[in-house]
Amino acid sequence: EADIYQTPRYLVIGTGKKITLECSQTMGHDKMYWYQQDPGMELHLIHYSYGVNSTEKGDLSSESTVSRIRTEHFPLTLESARPSHTSQYLCASSPRQDSYEQYFGPGTRLTVT
Amino acid sequence: AQSVAQPEDQVNVAEGNPLTVKCTYSVSGNPYLFWYVQYPNRGLQFLLKYITGDNLVKGSYGFEAEFNKSQTSFHLKKPSALVSDSALYFCAVRGTGANNLFFGTGTRLTVIP
Repeated sequence: EADIYQTPRYLVIGTGKKITLECSQTMGHDKMYWYQQDPGMELHLIHYSYGVNSTEKGDLSSESTVSRIRTEHFPLTLESARPSHTSQYLCASSPRQDSYEQYFGPGTRLTVT
Repeated sequence: AQSVAQPEDQVNVAEGNPLTVKCTYSVSGNPYLFWYVQYPNRGLQFLLKYITGDNLVKGSYGFEAEFNKSQTSFHLKKPSALVSDSALYFCAVRGTGANNLFFGTGTRLTVIP
């Protein structure tokens, strides 16, 4: 079992609230990722980071923001949640080398009412 | 450009029968190929990968995959399906030197008792 953690696992919140989804890994991986996935559907990369102070937007445009102040921590923030943000958010990490697989956290299922 | 195609949204197979989940890819350079499985309300779990060498790759839970360069395919196989194999399966590819993994749209496998 990979050591990558996401909290909360489930979150129901009202429109307009600010939320932060937490992701931490204890493997010392340089690379970290955030994916958005509707239930049973494909994954969309929304943010990634190759190391401390490095963040990039992914293939799917997202209103969320991320930060990477520490290697092990890659939080995702929504300043003002909307119902369209309702989805599952998956965090992943991997070593620097391209040949390595990504390790996924258990996900956060977000519902915005 | 990199892409992955999983042509079947759904695969049904009887318990004890062999199963195949199809994946084809397009990348620049040599491919790194991965298979992941996702159970309900969980993150993705790594099954196996092809980096180089033997075209037949063996992975977790009795799964294997065959890399076919001429057909640009990386089909997932298992000789005898179990009901517990029922899940969502994702194929992913990264080209040499590429930044990120590209995931397919997923195939839902249902093993019928």
